[in-house]
Amino acid sequence: GAVVSQHPSWVICKSGTSVKIECRSLDFQATTMFWYRQFPKQSLMLMATSNEGSKATYEQGVEKDKFLINHASLTLSTLTVTSAHPEDSSFYICSARDLREDRGERKLFFGSGTQLSVL
Amino acid sequence: QKEVEQNSGPLSVPEGAIASLNCTYSDRVSQSFFWYRQYSGKSPELIMSIYSNGDKEDGRFTAQLNKASQYVSLLIRDSQPSDSATYLCAVKSGGFKTIFGAGTRLFVKA
Repeated sequence: GAVVSQHPSWVICKSGTSVKIECRSLDFQATTMFWYRQFPKQSLMLMATSNEGSKATYEQGVEKDKFLINHASLTLSTLTVTSAHPEDSSFYICSARDLREDRGERKLFFGSGTQLSVL
Repeated sequence: QKEVEQNSGPLSVPEGAIASLNCTYSDRVSQSFFWYRQYSGKSPELIMSIYSNGDKEDGRFTAQLNKASQYVSLLIRDSQPSDSATYLCAVKSGGFKTIFGAGTRLFVKA
């Protein structure tokens, strides 16, 4: 199956610093990637849809200036949490949909997630 | 009303029993339905996908979809302790977005 690599797996940072998380599709091209956030014992909440070569689409309530998304190529999307605060501590997960979507494969492939802890 | 609703559980079943997980969704035009399994601290992994009404079986797992009732379920036969996890129901509507339910925690007692 398709592989999505997410890095880093965990990060601890000081309040006020910025953290970049990378999401790569290793064996397929993804025009669209999704970024989710998950707090303990809660479900995945979609933050934004990352579109290759264009601006990301953010969900209601998600600050686009705080969570910067760049999707510069068909295999890489990055999420930067700017000026991180303790309340940003969460599990961040990216996912991607294979271009073969058009052939009826509608599955999401998930990265391994990034646990962010802001002190 | 939440877009995708699940009973949070925990659902506790003995080893070897059938575990039944349920999910309802609000968007009538939803077309694709998924069940993911998530272990603590890990990202979700796809268990089943179903697109048309009826049952779909894959090994010990059976997904059931009833679009008229806006209901999708997952049955796990011969439950094993390793099946203990949180099961997420996910629904994809006409657009690109996939919406997840809050998940049902399943415990399989040895």
